[in-house]
Amino acid sequence: DTGVSQNPRHKITKRGQNVTFRCDPISEHNRLYWYRQTLGQGPEFLTYFQNEAQLEKSRLLSDRFSAERPKGSFSTLEIQRTEQGDSAMYLCASEIGTGQGGYTFGSGTRLTVV
Amino acid sequence: GENVEQHPSTLSVQEGDSAVIKCTYSDSASNYFPWYKQELGKRPQLIIDIRSNVGEKKDQRIAVTLNKTAKHFSLHITETQPEDSAVYFCAALYNTDKLIFGTGTRLQVFP
Repeated sequence: DTGVSQNPRHKITKRGQNVTFRCDPISEHNRLYWYRQTLGQGPEFLTYFQNEAQLEKSRLLSDRFSAERPKGSFSTLEIQRTEQGDSAMYLCASEIGTGQGGYTFGSGTRLTVV
Repeated sequence: GENVEQHPSTLSVQEGDSAVIKCTYSDSASNYFPWYKQELGKRPQLIIDIRSNVGEKKDQRIAVTLNKTAKHFSLHITETQPEDSAVYFCAALYNTDKLIFGTGTRLQVFP
């Protein structure tokens, strides 16, 4: 499979627990993006990486959220002390690296905080 | 600020009719405008895009137009089919590094 892979597909967690999601981008893509999508809304930008460097993080993003891409390949998104408002679809996308091309999205991780 | 407005939020058309979705962006430096189609429970998929050096682009039944002066761009689908039913998102590239998405248009094509 040469697409963008995200795991897990679904995650149900209790409020206050920590969760971690993984994204494996297309292998030759240098840029990796994380977006959050709630029902009836468009994807909302969270953060992105150029290789292993995190270049931007949304000002709206709580400090409970952290992302890493240690070797410039896969990335993880961690949410600490989850809240019900964190329930959403978390989408990962990759782009070849020019910043000028279309993104390829993964299927997302649907998080439900109960 | 970083903002993309999209209208309408829902659109119902009869099979064979045309559908038009409009978006407005705020950053005059934006130069790349893709459109994504998202079917229920699936990932957003790129269907067409346009760069700021052209005013129109067409791919079979889908076309996109761009008015840089007004900071408007639109998606046109002709001869709609039931399989066109989905949510469509416009986006604009901000600061040459990230896409900002509109709020989506739910298109329903009735046979």
